[in-house]
Amino acid sequence: DAKTTQPTSMDCAEGRAANLPCNHSTISGNEYVYWYRQIHSQGPQYIIHGLKNNETNEMASLIITEDRKSSTLILPHATLRDTAVYYCIVRVAEVTSGSRLTFGEGTQLTVNP
Amino acid sequence: NAGVTQTPKFQVLKTGQSMTLQCAQDMNHEYMSWYRQDPGMGLRLIHYSVGAGITDQGEVPNGYNVSRSTTEDFPLRLLSAAPSQTSVYFCASGLWGSEMREQYFGPGTRLTVT
Repeated sequence: DAKTTQPTSMDCAEGRAANLPCNHSTISGNEYVYWYRQIHSQGPQYIIHGLKNNETNEMASLIITEDRKSSTLILPHATLRDTAVYYCIVRVAEVTSGSRLTFGEGTQLTVNP
Repeated sequence: NAGVTQTPKFQVLKTGQSMTLQCAQDMNHEYMSWYRQDPGMGLRLIHYSVGAGITDQGEVPNGYNVSRSTTEDFPLRLLSAAPSQTSVYFCASGLWGSEMREQYFGPGTRLTVT
């Protein structure tokens, strides 16, 4: 699975959009980008995933660059409850042995009132 | 649906004791897994299962055993607890289909070994 690079921490004002970047310059053609978050002391929560097209769901939007070497997770209207560690994970979506999600250190997003 | 449940929430063990961490899911997911998370670090895969009767090792399997007799349950057994196993343990489940989508995580078991 490709390695990812994320900023250690970011701040965002409540009500504003939070844009969390992720670099994955060694991504392969069959690897997807997944985003999870972990609110303090809780289990990780799936947010969104995508291959090459931009994706949107009720939680967030995922923007993947055309060369797929980086992506941005967008929380359109951040709330205090969005304060969490956000993990960008790159892996093949096809179910193969292991199906491991490799969690790096992630980005600590702090939403300020 | 209750989702993924884990028991106990907290546990303190003495070195050398054994115990079983319980994990259950009611979503009929074929795939289940166990991760551990040490303070300030990411999650590391211990063991996983792709269906009843099928288990395999992950990244850090030493000191742990698993079994999968039913689709719903995936217990993790610590054979002889050591202080290095002090951690938070998360169980997760997901669909085992043509594409791995989201995995659902339980609330965690916080284990301290003294």
